[in-house]
Amino acid sequence: DAGVTQSPTHLIKTRGQHVTLRCSPISGHKSVSWYQQVLGQGPQFIFQYYEKEERGRGNFPDRFSARQFPNYSSELNVNALLLGDSALYLCASSLVWATEGYTFGSGTRLTVV
Amino acid sequence: GESVGLHLPTLSVQEGDNSIINCAYSNSASDYFIWYKQESGKGPQFIIDIRSNMDKRQGQRVTVLLNKTVKHLSLQIAATQPGDSAVYFCAEIHQGAQKLVFGQGTRLTINP
Repeated sequence: DAGVTQSPTHLIKTRGQHVTLRCSPISGHKSVSWYQQVLGQGPQFIFQYYEKEERGRGNFPDRFSARQFPNYSSELNVNALLLGDSALYLCASSLVWATEGYTFGSGTRLTVV
Repeated sequence: GESVGLHLPTLSVQEGDNSIINCAYSNSASDYFIWYKQESGKGPQFIIDIRSNMDKRQGQRVTVLLNKTVKHLSLQIAATQPGDSAVYFCAEIHQGAQKLVFGQGTRLTINP
């Protein structure tokens, strides 16, 4: 069975640009969460979606947005990129609206230059 | 504020020895804790979890201990193997906020 898949795996963007990251959850999982992991630190919570609705939001600026589609896949959008947005962006899926049983993808490595 | 921290950023052990990775948490209201293993280029991988109504839980070669009195969590890995080399994170769950709060991580290195 396929795990959580994220695309692209690597991405280089210029300051001021926008980026869209994609995540496909494990089949049957209805909840998707996004985390940002800066080099040398633990992941930081950005968003959680369940049944296409936002259920939680971390302390990130409005430049960060996300959505979940009817097939439960999700997109994370970041506008007006800053150098500090360079990080590994992780997607995690779970069966229901709960953080138990999280499965993480391998992430998208975003570099802003 | 919320925080989950680690006592040591790096840990080096001999192959075959037992490893102990420690973690301190600050939110006494947290009711669920998870240890994750993260290898280079990969996302965090679930190792073992424990609820706040327990003080010990064992898995295959791993044991998690929870001391709520001093808000301390530890991960014990028995007979450490080269494949155990990774960064280990403890994470705390705030059920009300439905999010994981991760610590900084400990890098475990296995010496042959």
